[in-house]
Amino acid sequence: GENVEQHPSTLSVQEGDSAVIKCTYSDSASNYFPWYKQELGKRPQLIIDIRSNVGEKKDQRIAVTLNKTAKHFSLHITETQPEDSAVYFCAGSRPGGTSYGKLTFGQGTILTVHP
Amino acid sequence: NAGVTQTPKFQVLKTGQSMTLQCAQDMNHNSMYWYRQDPGMGLRLIYYSASEGTTDKGEVPNGYNVSRLNKREFSLRLESAAPSQTSVYFCASSYLGLAGQETQYFGPGTRLLVL
Repeated sequence: GENVEQHPSTLSVQEGDSAVIKCTYSDSASNYFPWYKQELGKRPQLIIDIRSNVGEKKDQRIAVTLNKTAKHFSLHITETQPEDSAVYFCAGSRPGGTSYGKLTFGQGTILTVHP
Repeated sequence: NAGVTQTPKFQVLKTGQSMTLQCAQDMNHNSMYWYRQDPGMGLRLIYYSASEGTTDKGEVPNGYNVSRLNKREFSLRLESAAPSQTSVYFCASSYLGLAGQETQYFGPGTRLLVL
């Protein structure tokens, strides 16, 4: 089955700096890659996603890039703010069959933004 | 529109006791999922239901059973709780997006402590 590896496990930045979180996946058939943000004690919430027919997607200060050949995708947060502090999870999903819709999550990255 | 709701929010059990975690969604989603979240382990899929009347095992199904009562409700049952089942349990539901991907939305979680 799919395996998703996420790095780094912890990331500490100063307010205003950029943060980058990287994920690799094993199943070349995977075609959907969402990113979730989870604040302490809260539920995971979708912040951005990308499909395999797209190389990059932006939404204000966040962007995601996908390299299908290398089977890795990354989350980029620019101009970080203290409220960006949270745990971020990447995930992958493949279409079709019994795996349809199932997400495999990375282990998570604890992002801390220092004022 | 409440989204995905879960009950209870917190539960303490003794080893060997049984309980059912309830989940409901009002978004008319076809698919529903149960995850457990442990420190450093990310989100792991226990069971999922692609549609009303169907259920399938995920990554860590041992010790759990599920029931898809109707399109709205998906329950998770622990028949004989063990300390290893101490975790935070999240229910999620998803819809089929325009591009063919399933976007998952999470409930607020149930914190379970097994003594």
